[in-house]
Amino acid sequence: GAGVSQSPSNKVTEKGKDVELRCDPISGHTALYWYRQSLGQGLEFLIYFQGNSAPDKSGLPSDRFSAERTGGSVSTLTIQRTQQEDSAVYLCASSLGWGYQDEQYFGPGTRLTVT
Amino acid sequence: AQRVTQPEKLLSVFKGAPVELKCNYSYSGSPELFWYVQYSRQRLQLLLRHISRESIKGFTADLNKGETSFHLKKPFAQEEDSAMYYCALMIGAGSYQLTFGKGTKLSVIP
Repeated sequence: GAGVSQSPSNKVTEKGKDVELRCDPISGHTALYWYRQSLGQGLEFLIYFQGNSAPDKSGLPSDRFSAERTGGSVSTLTIQRTQQEDSAVYLCASSLGWGYQDEQYFGPGTRLTVT
Repeated sequence: AQRVTQPEKLLSVFKGAPVELKCNYSYSGSPELFWYVQYSRQRLQLLLRHISRESIKGFTADLNKGETSFHLKKPFAQEEDSAMYYCALMIGAGSYQLTFGKGTKLSVIP
């Protein structure tokens, strides 16, 4: 079946511009996670959505970052006024439920380059 | 806050040699531990998790709570094992995101 998909696969933007990254989770998966993979920091958690509960935003690095999940499915990560340190690969993952036993399936990522 | 440490950025072994990828964690509670793998040009995927007590592709990992370690082992490395390996933990209790180590690149020399 279809896995997690993300778009665009690559995004180059100028410093100061806003960007939107999209994630389509596996159908029926109730939990959705955003992570960031950068050279210096490795893989970092950003935010996760758990069913209809309020999202856990504890990993967002600044208030320039926000995310929505519409209709319990598609999610959009928005970065406002991008900075060069935002350059990274942004990974989305989804899982059937939330818990130790629920495998997180990762998408291919969006590579963001801020010039 | 929890932390995962993978001390080796790069590990090179010969084909057929044993492999051990080290992982240490710090967390005051009892987290769940995972190993993820990313092969070249592929997406990140789960390799194994402590809760399942499984062996995948010949790899095993034992949780040592005294040493707070979850090292990944394989008795005989294969060329297809060359990849990036990430150790991760989940603290649970309403917090189900993964905290990752910085990864170890395993290179198996033919």
